[in-house]
Amino acid sequence: NAGVTQTPKFQVLKTGQSMTLQCAQDMNHNSMYWYRQDPGMGLRLIYYSASEGTTDKGEVPNGYNVSRLNKREFSLRLESAAPSQTSVYFCASSASSGGRDEQYFGPGTRLTVT
Amino acid sequence: QKEVEQNSGPLSVPEGAIASLNCTYSDRGSQSFFWYRQYSGKSPELIMSIYSNGDKEDGRFTAQLNKASQYVSLLIRDSQPSDSATYLCAVRNSGYSTLTFGKGTMLLVSP
Repeated sequence: NAGVTQTPKFQVLKTGQSMTLQCAQDMNHNSMYWYRQDPGMGLRLIYYSASEGTTDKGEVPNGYNVSRLNKREFSLRLESAAPSQTSVYFCASSASSGGRDEQYFGPGTRLTVT
Repeated sequence: QKEVEQNSGPLSVPEGAIASLNCTYSDRGSQSFFWYRQYSGKSPELIMSIYSNGDKEDGRFTAQLNKASQYVSLLIRDSQPSDSATYLCAVRNSGYSTLTFGKGTMLLVSP
Protein backbone atom coordinates (compact mmCIF):
# COMPACT_ATOMS: atom_id res chain seq x y z
CA ASN A 1 0.00 0.00 0.00
CA ALA A 2 1.95 3.02 -1.29
CA GLY A 3 -0.43 5.76 -0.05
CA VAL A 4 0.17 8.99 -1.95
CA THR A 5 2.94 9.05 -4.55
CA GLN A 6 4.35 12.05 -6.41
CA THR A 7 6.65 12.41 -9.39
CA PRO A 8 9.19 13.82 -9.92
CA LYS A 9 10.96 14.25 -6.57
CA PHE A 10 13.17 17.10 -7.82
CA GLN A 11 12.96 19.38 -10.85
CA VAL A 12 14.85 22.41 -12.13
CA LEU A 13 13.14 24.57 -14.76
CA LYS A 14 14.09 27.69 -16.62
CA THR A 15 11.73 30.66 -16.57
CA GLY A 16 8.98 30.14 -19.14
CA GLN A 17 9.23 26.36 -19.31
CA SER A 18 6.23 24.20 -18.55
CA MET A 19 5.87 21.01 -16.59
CA THR A 20 3.31 18.72 -14.98
CA LEU A 21 3.56 17.32 -11.46
CA GLN A 22 1.91 13.96 -11.06
CA CYS A 23 0.12 12.61 -8.00
CA ALA A 24 -1.61 9.29 -7.39
CA GLN A 25 -3.27 7.69 -4.37
CA ASP A 26 -4.26 4.09 -3.77
CA MET A 27 -6.49 4.62 -0.72
CA ASN A 28 -9.74 5.04 -2.71
CA HIS A 29 -10.00 8.59 -1.40
CA ASN A 30 -12.57 11.00 -2.82
CA SER A 31 -10.69 14.28 -2.37
CA MET A 32 -7.24 15.35 -3.51
CA TYR A 33 -5.24 18.53 -2.92
CA TRP A 34 -2.18 20.41 -4.13
CA TYR A 35 -0.22 22.59 -1.68
CA ARG A 36 2.95 24.60 -1.88
CA GLN A 37 5.21 25.18 1.11
CA ASP A 38 7.55 28.14 1.34
CA PRO A 39 9.75 29.23 4.25
CA GLY A 40 7.81 31.49 6.59
CA MET A 41 4.56 31.01 4.64
CA GLY A 42 3.48 27.58 5.74
CA LEU A 43 1.36 25.25 3.63
CA ARG A 44 -0.90 27.03 1.16
CA LEU A 45 -3.61 25.36 -0.89
CA ILE A 46 -3.26 25.79 -4.66
CA TYR A 47 -6.17 23.72 -6.02
CA TYR A 48 -8.28 20.87 -4.80
CA SER A 49 -10.68 18.27 -6.12
CA ALA A 50 -13.46 17.42 -3.68
CA SER A 51 -14.57 14.50 -5.82
CA GLU A 52 -13.82 12.94 -9.19
CA GLY A 53 -14.86 15.34 -11.93
CA THR A 54 -14.63 18.53 -9.86
CA THR A 55 -11.81 20.99 -9.21
CA ASP A 56 -11.73 24.25 -7.27
CA LYS A 57 -9.27 27.05 -6.62
CA GLY A 58 -7.51 27.34 -3.32
CA GLU A 59 -5.66 30.24 -1.78
CA VAL A 60 -2.90 30.64 -4.42
CA PRO A 61 -4.12 29.31 -7.83
CA ASN A 62 -2.54 31.88 -10.17
CA GLY A 63 -0.07 30.34 -12.60
CA TYR A 64 -1.32 26.79 -12.12
CA ASN A 65 -3.84 24.43 -13.67
CA VAL A 66 -5.02 21.03 -12.49
CA SER A 67 -6.62 17.91 -13.89
CA ARG A 68 -8.41 15.21 -11.93
CA LEU A 69 -7.69 12.43 -14.41
CA ASN A 70 -9.64 9.76 -12.51
CA LYS A 71 -10.33 8.93 -8.87
CA ARG A 72 -6.67 7.98 -8.27
CA GLU A 73 -4.78 10.73 -10.10
CA PHE A 74 -4.58 14.51 -9.77
CA SER A 75 -1.99 16.48 -11.74
CA LEU A 76 -0.71 20.05 -11.37
CA ARG A 77 0.56 21.95 -14.41
CA LEU A 78 2.75 25.01 -14.59
CA GLU A 79 2.25 26.48 -18.06
CA SER A 80 5.00 29.12 -17.91
CA ALA A 81 7.18 28.74 -14.85
CA ALA A 82 8.33 31.80 -12.91
CA PRO A 83 11.00 32.11 -10.19
CA SER A 84 8.19 32.87 -7.71
CA GLN A 85 7.01 29.28 -8.23
CA THR A 86 10.20 27.90 -6.69
CA SER A 87 8.82 25.88 -3.80
CA VAL A 88 8.12 22.45 -2.38
CA TYR A 89 4.87 21.02 -3.74
CA PHE A 90 2.83 18.48 -1.79
CA CYS A 91 -0.12 16.43 -2.94
CA ALA A 92 -2.56 15.10 -0.34
CA SER A 93 -5.72 13.02 -0.31
CA SER A 94 -8.65 12.53 2.02
CA ALA A 95 -11.57 10.14 2.25
CA SER A 96 -13.92 13.14 2.89
CA SER A 97 -16.79 10.84 3.73
CA GLY A 98 -18.34 9.53 6.93
CA GLY A 99 -16.84 12.46 8.82
CA ARG A 100 -13.27 11.39 7.97
CA ASP A 101 -11.40 14.56 7.03
CA GLU A 102 -7.83 13.46 7.64
CA GLN A 103 -5.48 14.37 4.81
CA TYR A 104 -2.49 12.20 3.95
CA PHE A 105 0.48 13.70 2.17
CA GLY A 106 2.83 12.50 -0.54
CA PRO A 107 6.63 12.90 -0.27
CA GLY A 108 6.74 16.18 -2.17
CA THR A 109 8.38 17.66 -5.27
CA ARG A 110 11.17 20.20 -4.84
CA LEU A 111 10.96 22.63 -7.75
CA THR A 112 13.51 25.30 -8.58
CA VAL A 113 12.81 27.85 -11.32
CA THR A 114 15.86 29.80 -12.51
CA GLN B 1 -9.44 34.85 5.33
CA LYS B 2 -9.57 32.04 7.89
CA GLU B 3 -6.57 32.03 10.19
CA VAL B 4 -4.74 29.45 12.27
CA GLU B 5 -2.13 30.86 14.63
CA GLN B 6 0.80 29.06 16.24
CA ASN B 7 3.94 30.28 17.99
CA SER B 8 6.83 29.68 15.63
CA GLY B 9 9.19 28.68 18.44
CA PRO B 10 11.54 27.05 18.79
CA LEU B 11 10.13 25.44 21.87
CA SER B 12 12.99 23.78 23.72
CA VAL B 13 12.38 21.04 26.29
CA PRO B 14 14.67 18.51 27.94
CA GLU B 15 14.28 14.81 27.25
CA GLY B 16 11.55 13.29 29.40
CA ALA B 17 9.64 16.55 29.88
CA ILE B 18 6.15 17.42 28.66
CA ALA B 19 6.01 19.58 25.53
CA SER B 20 2.92 21.76 25.13
CA LEU B 21 2.03 23.12 21.69
CA ASN B 22 -0.81 25.57 21.18
CA CYS B 23 -3.00 26.74 18.32
CA THR B 24 -5.85 29.22 17.95
CA TYR B 25 -8.21 29.51 14.99
CA SER B 26 -10.65 32.07 13.66
CA ASP B 27 -13.36 29.95 11.98
CA ARG B 28 -16.07 29.47 14.61
CA GLY B 29 -17.83 26.85 12.48
CA SER B 30 -14.85 24.49 12.29
CA GLN B 31 -15.57 20.95 13.45
CA SER B 32 -12.38 19.02 12.66
CA PHE B 33 -8.88 19.65 13.96
CA PHE B 34 -5.58 17.98 13.22
CA TRP B 35 -1.96 17.90 14.32
CA TYR B 36 0.78 17.02 11.85
CA ARG B 37 4.47 16.43 12.49
CA GLN B 38 6.98 17.47 9.85
CA TYR B 39 10.65 16.54 10.00
CA SER B 40 13.07 18.76 8.10
CA GLY B 41 12.97 17.96 4.39
CA LYS B 42 10.04 15.57 4.76
CA SER B 43 6.29 15.75 4.20
CA PRO B 44 3.69 16.37 6.95
CA GLU B 45 2.63 13.25 8.84
CA LEU B 46 -0.74 13.09 10.60
CA ILE B 47 -0.36 12.31 14.30
CA MET B 48 -3.69 13.31 15.86
CA SER B 49 -7.22 14.27 14.88
CA ILE B 50 -9.85 15.61 17.27
CA TYR B 51 -13.50 16.42 16.62
CA SER B 52 -15.10 16.91 20.07
CA ASN B 53 -14.40 19.21 22.99
CA GLY B 54 -12.13 17.70 25.61
CA ASP B 55 -9.07 15.50 25.50
CA LYS B 56 -8.05 12.70 23.16
CA GLU B 57 -5.09 10.52 24.07
CA ASP B 58 -2.97 8.33 21.79
CA GLY B 59 0.16 6.93 23.38
CA ARG B 60 2.39 9.81 24.47
CA PHE B 61 0.24 12.35 22.62
CA THR B 62 -2.83 14.16 23.96
CA ALA B 63 -4.86 16.58 21.89
CA GLN B 64 -7.11 19.07 23.68
CA LEU B 65 -9.94 21.02 22.07
CA ASN B 66 -11.95 23.96 23.40
CA LYS B 67 -14.33 25.18 20.68
CA ALA B 68 -15.71 28.01 22.83
CA SER B 69 -12.23 29.47 23.17
CA GLN B 70 -11.25 28.42 19.60
CA TYR B 71 -8.18 26.72 20.97
CA VAL B 72 -6.44 23.43 20.24
CA SER B 73 -3.37 22.06 21.96
CA LEU B 74 -1.05 19.08 21.71
CA LEU B 75 0.78 17.64 24.70
CA ILE B 76 3.71 15.31 24.20
CA ARG B 77 4.62 13.38 27.34
CA ASP B 78 8.07 11.90 27.98
CA SER B 79 9.51 13.92 25.09
CA GLN B 80 12.28 12.22 23.11
CA PRO B 81 14.96 13.72 20.85
CA SER B 82 13.18 11.96 17.97
CA ASP B 83 10.17 14.23 18.64
CA SER B 84 12.25 17.21 17.45
CA ALA B 85 10.31 18.47 14.43
CA THR B 86 7.89 21.16 13.34
CA TYR B 87 4.30 20.59 14.46
CA LEU B 88 1.53 21.91 12.23
CA CYS B 89 -1.99 22.62 13.45
CA ALA B 90 -4.72 22.29 10.80
CA VAL B 91 -8.40 23.22 10.96
CA ARG B 92 -11.12 22.15 8.57
CA ASN B 93 -12.81 25.14 6.93
CA SER B 94 -16.53 25.08 7.68
CA GLY B 95 -18.58 24.19 4.63
CA TYR B 96 -15.60 22.94 2.66
CA SER B 97 -13.40 19.85 2.49
CA THR B 98 -10.27 21.98 2.81
CA LEU B 99 -7.92 22.64 5.71
CA THR B 100 -6.18 25.82 6.81
CA PHE B 101 -2.74 25.17 8.28
CA GLY B 102 -0.82 27.16 10.85
CA LYS B 103 2.80 27.98 10.07
CA GLY B 104 3.99 25.47 12.63
CA THR B 105 5.89 25.37 15.90
CA MET B 106 9.43 23.99 15.92
CA LEU B 107 10.07 21.65 18.86
CA LEU B 108 13.60 20.87 20.01
CA VAL B 109 14.10 18.08 22.56
CA SER B 110 17.58 18.02 24.06
CA PRO B 111 19.11 14.78 25.45
